[in-house]
Amino acid sequence: SAVISQKPSRDICQRGTSLTIQCQVDSQVTMMFWYRQQPGQSLTLIATANQGSEATYESGFVIDKFPISRPNLTFSTLTVSNMSPEDSSIYLCSVVVRGETQYFGPGTRLLVL
Amino acid sequence: QKEVEQDPGPLSVPEGAIVSLNCTYSNSAFQYFMWYRQYSRKGPELLMYTYSSGNKEDGRFTAQVDKSSKYISLFIRDSQPSDSATYLCAFNSGGGADGLTFGKGTHLIIQP
Repeated sequence: SAVISQKPSRDICQRGTSLTIQCQVDSQVTMMFWYRQQPGQSLTLIATANQGSEATYESGFVIDKFPISRPNLTFSTLTVSNMSPEDSSIYLCSVVVRGETQYFGPGTRLLVL
Repeated sequence: QKEVEQDPGPLSVPEGAIVSLNCTYSNSAFQYFMWYRQYSRKGPELLMYTYSSGNKEDGRFTAQVDKSSKYISLFIRDSQPSDSATYLCAFNSGGGADGLTFGKGTHLIIQP
């Protein structure tokens, strides 16, 4: 597997502001994903972030709202822009190890007031 | 019809019981099947991963896949209070190359 860390672990933000979430992996990985876990809901894929290419967004998620960077094989950021209370959620990154399945970070708990 | 159906529970059983957790899915393209365990305020932890119909065993855990019925199960033997968590089924069609589609999760409580 891989050791994955996320920063911040939690935050409380005001509506209209933006928050950048960091995901750091202890080994080089090609594929990285970002998910959202809203209260009482399934984990939902936001986008796929591969190093060296633009992020690919799922239906319902757009780059202007959730810009993603992937500057190298161990790091990625997800920004939640112009936040509203509906963005209150847990945001998780995951990585693919040895071409198999995905391992998840601990998550970032976001509350928007 | 939702792509994945999973009973949210809570499911409460006594310590030592055999637990059965289930998911149904509708997408025939799903070829990879996973179970994750998620403790409160933690990220999901991979428990089982398989891509074929039949059973796969790992310690006290057995994953069962029936592709013809589009039904997967996770069995936990000799359940322990430490097994109390939310269990998520997950699917994709491309293995490591694709994002995952999750069930809502079943909240499991093992009573000492």
